[in-house]
Amino acid sequence: NAGVTQTPKFQVLKTGQSMTLQCAQDMNHEYMSWYRQDPGMGLRLIHYSVGAGITDQGEVPNGYNVSRSTTEDFPLRLLSAAPSQTSVYFCASKKNSGNTGELFFGEGSRLTVL
Amino acid sequence: SQQGEEDPQALSIQEGENATMNCSYKTSINNLQWYRQNSGRGLVHLILIRSNEREKHSGRLRVTLDTSKKSSSLLITASRAADTASYFCATDGGTSYGKLTFGQGTILTVHP
Repeated sequence: NAGVTQTPKFQVLKTGQSMTLQCAQDMNHEYMSWYRQDPGMGLRLIHYSVGAGITDQGEVPNGYNVSRSTTEDFPLRLLSAAPSQTSVYFCASKKNSGNTGELFFGEGSRLTVL
Repeated sequence: SQQGEEDPQALSIQEGENATMNCSYKTSINNLQWYRQNSGRGLVHLILIRSNEREKHSGRLRVTLDTSKKSSSLLITASRAADTASYFCATDGGTSYGKLTFGQGTILTVHP
């Protein structure tokens, strides 16, 4: 089991460019989510999904799109990158969408927008 | 706004000492979780305590929960240098689908 795999690990973008952060899990987890982590701000939820074909917004969704066409994959798209999106992004999954269970995190994708 | 707030923001102790971190939250919860993050890595789950539990143990970890005060504490006994990390509490806001909100974290440094 690889767990939760995020790619790329590092990325530098120019303002206005678009890109997709990839997230894949091989644990057959229903629930997947994206967080961003900024100094002094903790982790903030961007988008989440409770199953294939179902996504919803978190606390800070603006500027990001997601889709969940398969159980395994949950890509995060930056439509037009801005310096405010410089952050470390974490994908996390858990077995089911109920209110129990631990989140499994990827190792993070470090994005710099110039 | 953050559901969970940790206190202190940073804690520095010597090996062998106990480390206590506190978390306060604002809304009702089904459960509260604690996570650990080593520098440059992803978060790792430590322990989950349900809203009807008051205390839970796992190895050197002891978690307490006071729902009347909307607060929790994480105690790490006999700390080791390898415990150096950031620690986060996470709450589900009483939702039924497990959307977790994290606090800002406590940075723990354990000196050998």
